[in-house]
Amino acid sequence: GDSVTQMEGPVTLSEEAFLTINCTYTATGYPSLFWYVQYPGEGLQLLLKATKADDKGSNKGFEATYRKETTSFHLEKGSVQVSDSAVYFCALTNTGNQFYFGTGTSLTVIP
Amino acid sequence: DTGVSQDPRHKITKRGQNVTFRCDPISEHNRLYWYRQTLGQGPEFLTYFQNEAQLEKSRLLSDRFSAERPKGSFSTLEIQRTEQGDSAMYLCASSLVQGTNSPLHFGNGTRLTVT
Repeated sequence: GDSVTQMEGPVTLSEEAFLTINCTYTATGYPSLFWYVQYPGEGLQLLLKATKADDKGSNKGFEATYRKETTSFHLEKGSVQVSDSAVYFCALTNTGNQFYFGTGTSLTVIP
Repeated sequence: DTGVSQDPRHKITKRGQNVTFRCDPISEHNRLYWYRQTLGQGPEFLTYFQNEAQLEKSRLLSDRFSAERPKGSFSTLEIQRTEQGDSAMYLCASSLVQGTNSPLHFGNGTRLTVT
C-alpha cells in the first residue's frame, strides 16, 4: 500500500545552518505530496505541497521538489531560525481520500 | 476563516468511562477527517465524512468508537468504555475537495488521557 518514510530524528542545528529532511514514498500512480509542520501543543499546519513530478513547493523559505525517479520529496531550507523548531511530517495522497503520514522528524534549532 | 476548532483541548478520564469530542470544520469545507496521533508518531487515519456521509473507516476504529456528522457541519467522536491504550491526541481535519490535491487543514487536537 501507499506509505511515506522519513529520516529519523531528532535533528539539532545551529541557527543559519542548512536543513535537509529526507522523505521517500511508495505509491501507485501519481500521488500529491505535502509537508506539514507541528509546533508543540498544536495541530499540523500545511507547509507546502506539490502535485506532479518536478513540481517544487515552497513556503517561508522551505522548499521541496517532487522527484518521481527517486520517489522522494526532501524538505530543504537554506538558513534555519530558532522559530523553525518543530516536528515536520511528510505526507501523500493518491486519491484525495486517504492521506498517509510519515512518523515525523523533530527539529531543534539552537541560537 | 476561523480554522478548524476542536473541543475540549484536554480530557482526562478513568478507564471504562465514555468520552465525546467535538470538531467544527472550516465552514465551506465538505470533507471532515478524524486522525489519532500517539507520541512520536504521525497521524493515523480513523475515519472521514463527505458532507454527512461517513465514507470510510479504518480498522483502527473498533466498535467502541463512533463518529457522526449529523448535518454535514460539526462532527463528534465518541469512545465508549475507554481503555488506557486510547490515550492519544485526536486530530480533526477538514478540506474542500477539488480533485485529488486538496490539503487537509487540522485543528489543534484533543489530548485524551485515560487513567
